[in-house]
Amino acid sequence: NAGVMQNPRHLVRRRGQEARLRCSPMKGHSHVYWYRQLPEEGLKFMVYLQKENIIDESGMPKERFSAEFPKEGPSILRIQQVVRGDSAAYFCASSPGVAPDTQYFGPGTRLTVL
Amino acid sequence: SQKIEQNSEALNIQEGKTATLTCNYTNYSPAYLQWYRQDPGRGPVFLLLIRENEKEKRKERLKVTFDTTLKQSLFHITASQPADSATYLCALDPNAGNMLTFGGGTRLMVKP
Repeated sequence: NAGVMQNPRHLVRRRGQEARLRCSPMKGHSHVYWYRQLPEEGLKFMVYLQKENIIDESGMPKERFSAEFPKEGPSILRIQQVVRGDSAAYFCASSPGVAPDTQYFGPGTRLTVL
Repeated sequence: SQKIEQNSEALNIQEGKTATLTCNYTNYSPAYLQWYRQDPGRGPVFLLLIRENEKEKRKERLKVTFDTTLKQSLFHITASQPADSATYLCALDPNAGNMLTFGGGTRLMVKP
């Protein structure tokens, strides 16, 4: 059973460009979460999605950031007009949605904004 | 305000000894608490989950305790090995809504 997959593993963007991060959950998991880890800081929750629904986006910055989990295909975290402060590791996790709901993390995408 | 605190200083111990890591929280009443391991450049890996009505949980060389009165969890690794060197994160779900809140992690270094 393949784990959570994220791609790309490394992404370099110039200021003002768009970044698209993809996450495929573990087989059988219908819940997806995105977290951000800034250098030398802890993991911070961003958004929680189920298929075609955003359940909670309380951790998402109000502007430039969006997330989706379509009926078919991976979950996408999209950052528009990136700035240097967006440089971080972005982790996706998935869970089966049965309490207590252990989350399984992917390897992360390391975004560098030049 | 709500906080989850882990010792930010690295813990250095000798191989074979028991490592004990602490997680304290304030202004939460979690139904369960989880511990994860994170290696440099990798995603967190789930280790153990302990419920509020469980005092202790074990898995191989790992042991977790959960004291809801003290608002503290202790994570023990017995007979530690250099391969146990990593950052260990505690996490809880404050609102039973599946959004984990993580502590800052404690880096463990086990010297041979």
